[in-house]
Amino acid sequence: EADIYQTPRYLVIGTGKKITLECSQTMGHDKMYWYQQDPGMELHLIHYSYGVNSTEKGDLSSESTVSRIRTEHFPLTLESARPSHTSQYLCASSDSTAVNYEQYFGPGTRLTVT
Amino acid sequence: QQQVKQSPQSLIVQKGGISIINCAYENTAFDYFPWYQQFPGKGPALLIAIRPDVSEKKEGRFTISFNKSAKQFSLHIMDSQPGDSATYFCAARSRGGTYKYIFGTGTRLKVLA
Repeated sequence: EADIYQTPRYLVIGTGKKITLECSQTMGHDKMYWYQQDPGMELHLIHYSYGVNSTEKGDLSSESTVSRIRTEHFPLTLESARPSHTSQYLCASSDSTAVNYEQYFGPGTRLTVT
Repeated sequence: QQQVKQSPQSLIVQKGGISIINCAYENTAFDYFPWYQQFPGKGPALLIAIRPDVSEKKEGRFTISFNKSAKQFSLHIMDSQPGDSATYFCAARSRGGTYKYIFGTGTRLKVLA
């Protein structure tokens, strides 16, 4: 079973606040990803990282930023939260040396901005 | 631009029945096609996956059928159980080292007891 953790699991915050969603994995995976999941289910890639000090924007434009200073840690930051940021955020990781490079997902953070 | 189209959006099946979810893709640069299962409040979990050089893969009650020429693949759940009630996502991974996945829009399956 994959060991990938996200905190907090639920967050309700007011408009304009700065927030950081944490994601950590203990598997030593080199690649990590952030997805935004609509209420209607679809997953959209918003950021990904190939390794330490490597980050790229995903297919869906996002006002969030990410950093990858350590292999196991891939936090996502919103400088000024808005109601339009209300969503579920899923972190994932994969190992590029594995046979099929499966992605393993964390449990998600459900963010509500009021 | 949606590159992986999934249907149906929702599905209701009687216990013991067969659940079938379909996906179609356009980009031929995909090299790996997983299916994920997601329960409420949880992240998606890998269920079963297939490579395009294989036409079918079976794991227990779950089978993927893959039609490379039609660019379609489907998930079959045999003897569906109430515990299978979840949202299912198909996905396709880009080849070439980017390891980016494109997900379908999801199918909400409900299996009636």
